[in-house]
Amino acid sequence: GAGVSQSPSNKVTEKGKDVELRCDPISGHTALYWYRQSLGQGLEFLIYFQGNSAPDKSGLPSDRFSAERTGGSVSTLTIQRTQQEDSAVYLCASSLTLAGTGELFFGEGSRLTVL
Amino acid sequence: DAKTTQPTSMDCAEGRAANLPCNHSTISGNEYVYWYRQIHSQGPQYIIHGLKNNETNEMASLIITEDRKSSTLILPHATLRDTAVYYCIVRVPNSGYSTLTFGKGTMLLVSP
Repeated sequence: GAGVSQSPSNKVTEKGKDVELRCDPISGHTALYWYRQSLGQGLEFLIYFQGNSAPDKSGLPSDRFSAERTGGSVSTLTIQRTQQEDSAVYLCASSLTLAGTGELFFGEGSRLTVL
Repeated sequence: DAKTTQPTSMDCAEGRAANLPCNHSTISGNEYVYWYRQIHSQGPQYIIHGLKNNETNEMASLIITEDRKSSTLILPHATLRDTAVYYCIVRVPNSGYSTLTFGKGTMLLVSP
């Protein structure tokens, strides 16, 4: 597809379960970003990748959160032992490069509900 | 720390110009002003950005004051589909995207 693709679009899980969220960026975009948006809140930056490398992981809320990117393309955000406060929309974005003034292109997000 | 201040909400009549203000009084010389919007249940969408000169594209115009402490996003002929939350962001390019911080934004409601 032409845009950033995220899956699943909706995920309902029980507290304590692990979840994986997937992001497929625009082809050729080297930079990839994860944000989350809780109900009625702004976007909270989580992590970014330049290629397969994530130089700054300080935005991840806890050590239950991890992310990886392989082949400079698809990225997976994993949340272990989910908690109710993890419920949010998780948004992925990509840009052509990390440098410069380039715009971010966002996906539609993955809505996570932890019961 | 919020680097920008925006009104919580604004109303606009369809067909009229929507002028969305943003204060960024602590902006530094190498920080750009970016605008994004988020339509309900969608991901944010880039609109426009600028450094100090006014900018215009097919979506909007960006007017930055001479002292760069504030800016205004102008949608010249608002439509119902422009109803969205509009985010004003300041950042330095190449500074890492942890600095692309979205605040609460302005909820623009365009009415018939």
